[in-house]
Amino acid sequence: GNSVTQMEGPVTLSEEAFLTINCTYTATGYPSLFWYVQYPGEGLQLLLKATKADDKGSNKGFEATYRKETTSFHLEKGSVQVSDSAVYFCALSVHNDYKLSFGAGTTVTVRA
Amino acid sequence: GAVVSQHPSWVICKSGTSVKIECRSLDFQATTMFWYRQFPKQSLMLMATSNEGSKATYEQGVEKDKFLINHASLTLSTLTVTSAHPEDSSFYICSARLPGLSTDTQYFGPGTRLTVL
Repeated sequence: GNSVTQMEGPVTLSEEAFLTINCTYTATGYPSLFWYVQYPGEGLQLLLKATKADDKGSNKGFEATYRKETTSFHLEKGSVQVSDSAVYFCALSVHNDYKLSFGAGTTVTVRA
Repeated sequence: GAVVSQHPSWVICKSGTSVKIECRSLDFQATTMFWYRQFPKQSLMLMATSNEGSKATYEQGVEKDKFLINHASLTLSTLTVTSAHPEDSSFYICSARLPGLSTDTQYFGPGTRLTVL
């Protein structure tokens, strides 16, 4: 089956610190990989995605590279801001059914 | 961008009653919508896939007679929790798949908090 394992939180950082959230996956077939973000009181929003090996998704200073050899899709940001405080979910879908399998989510808190 | 709304945003009901939650795609037509359930501090668990004009496909372990899904139009799917009990209390989230080039991108509603007393 399909599954996503994500670094447990919570993670607390100071502003301008480097953030990395690890994500590994198992999948039957060739998945697309996603990072979703859930800000307090809001619904999930797509942060970035990658659809094939070695693709790098990027948005709002966040990056993640699809690593097929290590089955990973780690999220990174070089300098976080208070506004990046949110819950981050790694997810995958296999193209044939478009169903998303989510990781457990990682709560990130950035302090000024 | 694509917007998905849910109504109500929160609901409190008595045990044994039924509750209907609406999910609407506001600026696009969604042939496929998904319903998820999120427990506190846990991930989203897919409950069912809702296809316009046909019966929903439920994930293993989800009671289809308890969680009734109707996708009557290209912009509306409803989830009815029948004979709700306290263990049904949860955060219910819908998403809609945007057809076209980004066929594997889903847009999520803000969620509905259900509390069953």
